[in-house]
Amino acid sequence: SYELTQPLSVSVALGQTARITCGGNNIGSKNVHWYQQKPGQAPVLVIYRDSNRPSGIPERFSGSNSGNTATLTISRAQAGDEADYYCQVWDSRDVVFGGGTKLTVL
Amino acid sequence: EVQLVESGGVVVQPGGSLRLSCAASGFTFDDYTMHWVRQAPGKGLEWVSLISWDGGSTYYADSVKGRFTISRDNSKNSLYLQMNSLRTEDTALYYCAKDVVPAGRDAFDIWGQGTMVTVSS
Repeated sequence: SYELTQPLSVSVALGQTARITCGGNNIGSKNVHWYQQKPGQAPVLVIYRDSNRPSGIPERFSGSNSGNTATLTISRAQAGDEADYYCQVWDSRDVVFGGGTKLTVL
Repeated sequence: EVQLVESGGVVVQPGGSLRLSCAASGFTFDDYTMHWVRQAPGKGLEWVSLISWDGGSTYYADSVKGRFTISRDNSKNSLYLQMNSLRTEDTALYYCAKDVVPAGRDAFDIWGQGTMVTVSS
């Protein structure tokens, strides 16, 4: 079965740029989606199909995908960006989530 | 307002059964593929099942195949998950989620707040 690998944690200084990676075999050939989940809340879609932002998501959130790595980039990180972030792809008929990355804003 | 509201989560004994419901509003429910996704306490997201817009196609994660059944009633804008032969490892917060596109196989743009299922003796 297809696996997605994310770092357990990423730290970023307030106002700096955070990058969260999602690794998978030839992931660049798949559409990658990213979700933000704050404690006690449901996940929120922040990037879909590699680099598209849903309505209401700040331009500070962007995504890229190539080769074996997809990346979620959060520019000018704010305290409110602290959350768990999950990547997701489709593999045949299955949905696969990465293990999640906890983003800490220092 | 686009909304999904889950219900039905309770404490149940191993081997027991349970039916979860998800009420949809604010969008044309019968246009979209729908999903169940679960999250064990302190753990990540795990996809459980999907059902096509008309109920004609259903798919399951290997971990629940043969035990869980997804269904929908488009006349009631409702999604269901029948859970049988429950195991302790099924303990989780269960979310229903809407696919971005009618055909499915895309991102999940709307999520409910979840309903908690605890399997314990």
